[in-house]
Amino acid sequence: GQQVMQIPQYQHVQEGEDFTTYCNSSTTLSNIQWYKQRPGGHPVFLIQLVKSGEVKKQKRLTFQFGEAKKNSSLHITATQTTDVGTYFCAGSLTGNQFYFGTGTSLTVIP
Amino acid sequence: EAQVTQNPRYLITVTGKKLTVTCSQNMNHEYMSWYRQDPGLGLRQIYYSMNVEVTDKGDVPEGYKVSRKEKRNFPLILESPSPNQTSLYFCASSLGGLTNVLTFGAGSRLTVL
Repeated sequence: GQQVMQIPQYQHVQEGEDFTTYCNSSTTLSNIQWYKQRPGGHPVFLIQLVKSGEVKKQKRLTFQFGEAKKNSSLHITATQTTDVGTYFCAGSLTGNQFYFGTGTSLTVIP
Repeated sequence: EAQVTQNPRYLITVTGKKLTVTCSQNMNHEYMSWYRQDPGLGLRQIYYSMNVEVTDKGDVPEGYKVSRKEKRNFPLILESPSPNQTSLYFCASSLGGLTNVLTFGAGSRLTVL
């Protein structure tokens, strides 16, 4: 069945270092979304990418969607303690079924 | 305040005792869905509903039932819970369509003994 793999599972960084998480799908996606879940919280929508090769930025966060629409990445520049949490990608083929990655848990060491 | 409300937030039950987790949204969203979150597995979709009286299976529907009799409510029913259904459950809703941005509830932590 449809799978979305996400790496790494865990990442510890010093505050100020950069962080990247990667998602790979076994099939071509119609779009991909990214969510952040703070410890003890619920997933919160960050962004959606739809077009092949799309790049979007939100302040220190940069999101990319691959040319083949099968992979995506989230890059955080100069991490802060407020970035702590688990980041999930969620791929969709039809807009109705979502295939979440396993998540990357980010720890930022002050 | 626009939100998705789940109840109960925490529940400990025993094998075989039927339970229902309620989910309600006040945003007039067409689309609603249920997920379970387990360590190392991320979020897996259980069921989703595109509109009233329309429901479809997600990736892991076995052991669960849902209904969508009203637009705002989408309860998750465990007819005969088993220990492997111990998990953190999230309900989510959205406007639907191609730009299907999910708004999640706070989560319901279920333990089946």
